[in-house]
Amino acid sequence: AQTVTQSQPEMSVQEAETVTLSCTYDTSENNYYLFWYKQPPSRQMILVIRQEAYKQQNATENRFSVNFQKAAKSFSLKISDSQLGDTAMYFCAFMNHNTDKLIFGTGTRLQVFP
Amino acid sequence: EPEVTQTPSHQVTQMGQEVILRCVPISNHLYFYWYRQILGQKVEFLVSFYNNEISEKSEIFDDQFSVERPDGSNFTLKIRSTKLEDSAMYFCASRMDSPNSPLHFGNGTRLTVT
Repeated sequence: AQTVTQSQPEMSVQEAETVTLSCTYDTSENNYYLFWYKQPPSRQMILVIRQEAYKQQNATENRFSVNFQKAAKSFSLKISDSQLGDTAMYFCAFMNHNTDKLIFGTGTRLQVFP
Repeated sequence: EPEVTQTPSHQVTQMGQEVILRCVPISNHLYFYWYRQILGQKVEFLVSFYNNEISEKSEIFDDQFSVERPDGSNFTLKIRSTKLEDSAMYFCASRMDSPNSPLHFGNGTRLTVT
């Protein structure tokens, strides 16, 4: 069974600094997708970034980028130039290519301080 | 930008009562989902729905749960006889027909069973 592990329950960072959130996963599959979702206090789940496992190039979305290490089954999220609005719960998620469900990690609560 | 909308935002019900949670997915999306998040825990997959039938469901989705797309726009989750442990945030999600299209989540319905 696939699992997603986020080993950092809480992180904090000062505004304008860079922070990296860790995520590892376990699967025997070769073709899958990985995601980072943000859940602010409003509780909405917002897609931050996604990565297809067959792509070697790391995905980037503005201030958000990932470090995808397929062999190590690692998928970390880097937030550059952190902003107060980045304060949220961040969930790493996995989806196998032949299924239709997201498997979420337990989340990392990120606090951005002024 | 089109959104997945969920109503109500908060539902309080007594144990043993039936409850229906409503969702309007994005109009050109064809795959629909329900996830739940018990307070302080990770988001869990409940069920996926495509072409008017359930395509996948989790162990959580027992006989007390059902889903329906009664018309061309709504997607509902019914819990027949609610239990205290059904108290959670319930998220609806939808996506387009392409294999790697991302899930778009609604804002969730907080269900409180008393």
